[in-house]
Amino acid sequence: GAVVSQHPSWVICKSGTSVKIECRSLDFQATTMFWYRQFPKQSLMLMATSNEGSKATYEQGVEKDKFLINHASLTLSTLTVTSAHPEDSSFYICSASSGGGNTEAFFGQGTRLTVV
Amino acid sequence: GESVGLHLPTLSVQEGDNSIINCAYSNSASDYFIWYKQESGKGPQFIIDIRSNMDKRQGQRVTVLLNKTVKHLSLQIAATQPGDSAVYFCAENGGTSYGKLTFGQGTILTVHP
Repeated sequence: GAVVSQHPSWVICKSGTSVKIECRSLDFQATTMFWYRQFPKQSLMLMATSNEGSKATYEQGVEKDKFLINHASLTLSTLTVTSAHPEDSSFYICSASSGGGNTEAFFGQGTRLTVV
Repeated sequence: GESVGLHLPTLSVQEGDNSIINCAYSNSASDYFIWYKQESGKGPQFIIDIRSNMDKRQGQRVTVLLNKTVKHLSLQIAATQPGDSAVYFCAENGGTSYGKLTFGQGTILTVHP
């Protein structure tokens, strides 16, 4: 099956610093990647949709200047949380889809971000 | 905005019982629905999906039922096992791409040996 890998699995950073999370499709080309955020005991909320070679499309209420998304290749998308604050602590999950989003998306294992 | 919701936040069953997890959705444009299982600290794991041109689909020990008239989705797990204990989410695509999903609130399934 299709494999999506996130790195790191968990990260602790100091308030005010930036942290980058990688999402890789290991055995297929992902034209579209999606980034979700999940707070404890809550559901997944879509943050943004990323198409390879294009600017990401952010959901309402998500700050594009704070959550920088880059999808420069068909196998890699990155999410950078800039000037992180404790309220940004969350579980960040990506999914990847081939076929321009008209095929099933496969999820990564998630990245636990803790900002101290 | 429109959302997907669940009737029951928790469900406790005995090992061997059948489990039914329900989900209501509100976006009539949705044409693709998925059930996911999420274990603690992990990403969602695909269980089964169904498209709007179907009302039932079966997998291994799982069945998904879709009632478009009342916008209701259910997941049935046969002979539930302790390893099935997890949070289960329904998700729908809002008529957009298959990957752009709106998730329901989740149901915690606990299976007692």
